[in-house]
Amino acid sequence: KAGVTQTPRYLIKTRGQQVTLSCSPISGHRSVSWYQQTPGQGLQFLFEYFSETQRNKGNFPGRFSGRQFSNSRSEMNVSTLELGDSALYLCASSLAGEPGNTIYFGEGSWLTVV
Amino acid sequence: AQKVTQAQTEISVVEKEDVTLDCVYETRDTTYYLFWYKQPPSGELVFLIRRNSFDEQNEISGRYSWNFQKSTSSFNFTITASQVVDSAVYFCALSEANTGTASKLTFGTGTRLQVTL
Repeated sequence: KAGVTQTPRYLIKTRGQQVTLSCSPISGHRSVSWYQQTPGQGLQFLFEYFSETQRNKGNFPGRFSGRQFSNSRSEMNVSTLELGDSALYLCASSLAGEPGNTIYFGEGSWLTVV
Repeated sequence: AQKVTQAQTEISVVEKEDVTLDCVYETRDTTYYLFWYKQPPSGELVFLIRRNSFDEQNEISGRYSWNFQKSTSSFNFTITASQVVDSAVYFCALSEANTGTASKLTFGTGTRLQVTL
């Protein structure tokens, strides 16, 4: 059974640009969530999508957005990139995002903003 | 608000030693879930265990064991006879049932484990 798949794995962007990251959840999983990992702030929850609807959002500016498609695949977008957006972005999936569901993570997308 | 504390930033052991990683959590919820993840240099967070707040039974899986104690709000992780392949950063995480989604994990800062020969 394939795990959570994220693309691209590595990317370099310039300040002011925008970036789109993609995530394919484990087959059958309908909840997709995104996390940002930085050395200074650690792992922080960005948002969660279930059935194409954002169900919860972390404390991030509006430059961070996401969406989920009918096949549960998800994308997140960061506009007007800043140097501080350099991070590992991790996607996670679970069956239904319900309490008790195990949450599985992908390998992440390493974003460097220069 | 929920909080997870992993006081040990880095631990170094020699192979075959036992090592315990500490995790202390704070929550006002009576129903919550605790997780441990392993993060190798590749970046992926590898799921190790999930425990719900109503199940205080300790768990053993091979060389891994977990000690959950609600009285001290701790969920410690022990690796017996450590191996070089255990070298990674280990994260403890908490999710609360009342957040509207169980996918919102609050992570500790992680413990870097270095196992040498």
